[in-house]
This record gives sequence, C-alpha cells and structure tokens, in this order.
Amino acid sequence: GESVGLHLPTLSIQEGDNSIINCAYSNSASDYFIWYKQESGKGPQFIIDIRSNMDKRQGQRVTVLLNKTVKHLSLQIAATQPGDSAVYFCAEIRRSNDYKLSFGAGTTVTVRA
Amino acid sequence: KAGVTQTPRYLIKTRGQQVTLSCSPISGHRSVSWYQQTPGQGLQFLFEYFSETQRNKGNFPGRFSGRQFSNSRSEMNVSTLELGDSALYLCASSPASRYGYTFGSGTRLTVV
Repeated sequence: GESVGLHLPTLSIQEGDNSIINCAYSNSASDYFIWYKQESGKGPQFIIDIRSNMDKRQGQRVTVLLNKTVKHLSLQIAATQPGDSAVYFCAEIRRSNDYKLSFGAGTTVTVRA
Repeated sequence: KAGVTQTPRYLIKTRGQQVTLSCSPISGHRSVSWYQQTPGQGLQFLFEYFSETQRNKGNFPGRFSGRQFSNSRSEMNVSTLELGDSALYLCASSPASRYGYTFGSGTRLTVV
C-alpha cells in the first residue's frame, strides 16, 4: 500500500496568509523526505528536503517539519503568493525500498487573491 | 545548465500500437528514473537505469521496458498500448547518488 499519504486533497488559502500542508508516512525506516510542487503542464519541482535524523529544515519562505514520533511531515509556506498555487507532493526514500521515490497522493493548493 | 528534457511533449497513439519516449538527463547525471502519473493512481515508479543497467523496477507489466545509452540518455517503450496507459510519463535524473532527483516536464501520452 501507499507509504506516504496526504491529509487533505485540496487547500484554499488567502494570499498573504501562511499555509500548512500535511503528510503522514507509515514506515519508520524512511531515510529521507522531499516536498515537490507541480504546476499545470510541468513535472514535479523540488522544494525542500529533510533527512530522517532532523526535525526541521528551513528554506526561502518554506519550512519542513518532521515528527518521527507520530510519523508526520508538514510543509509550511510563509506569506503565500498566487504563484504558490499548485499540487504539492510529499515523497519518501528508503534504503529498504531500494531508494525508490514513493509519492503521496498530492494536495491541490489554491491561493485566493 | 539545461534541465531534464523529455520528447515528445505530447503523443496520441492507437490501442495496440507501441510507443517510445525519450529522456535526456542533466549533464553529468548518470541515473534516470521513469514514473507514470495518472489522476487515479498518482505517481508510480516504473524503473531506474544507472550506467546503462536497470537498477530498479516497479510493478508494471512487461509491456513497459526501457534502456539507457552510454551518454545516459534513456528511452522507455510501451508495447501493445491499452487505453489505461494514457498518462503523463515523467523522467527524473540524479547524480550517482540515490538522492537529488530532478524531473522533466513529461510526455503526455493519450491512447485512443
């Protein structure tokens, strides 16, 4: 079955607000997590990643939090902009799964002006 | 530097035909992976090639095959096309390590 899953299939957010996209994973042996953004007509684009030995990682306007106790991953986007409208995927890599990228189902984020 | 290039961008084929899709990885990347993306199944791993050898394979029928050339370019082939093969086929390349995947824009295949 699916090893990573997203909590909500859609999310509508007001421009300028902060948004949080959640993801749950089932395998405690996951080594590495990645968040991807996919815009219409394009392939997934890397946003940020985090290794399983970390709790938090920050990028430009984005923060990824990893809670290994409850097997939960979240992506926080600060000051959401119209260009943030896209489908967001969490993905995991496990050595026990031959390092294959396993994707969750995706959350469609719509930013309201 | 140039990204991952997939050709063609769009393709329409008839059921029963075969199709070949091409992927040129980022220069210096030796690993190429292929994924199928559909609304119902999401992103599913097809296979991965590294140094001209298949390193990993997903759970797809034998109609789906691939290969990698000495310049790291890769092709995937689908024979005896079925309507359910209609999907966005994505290619991702990475350096020799198992991380750092960069995706192309995909080939949209429609089987009629």
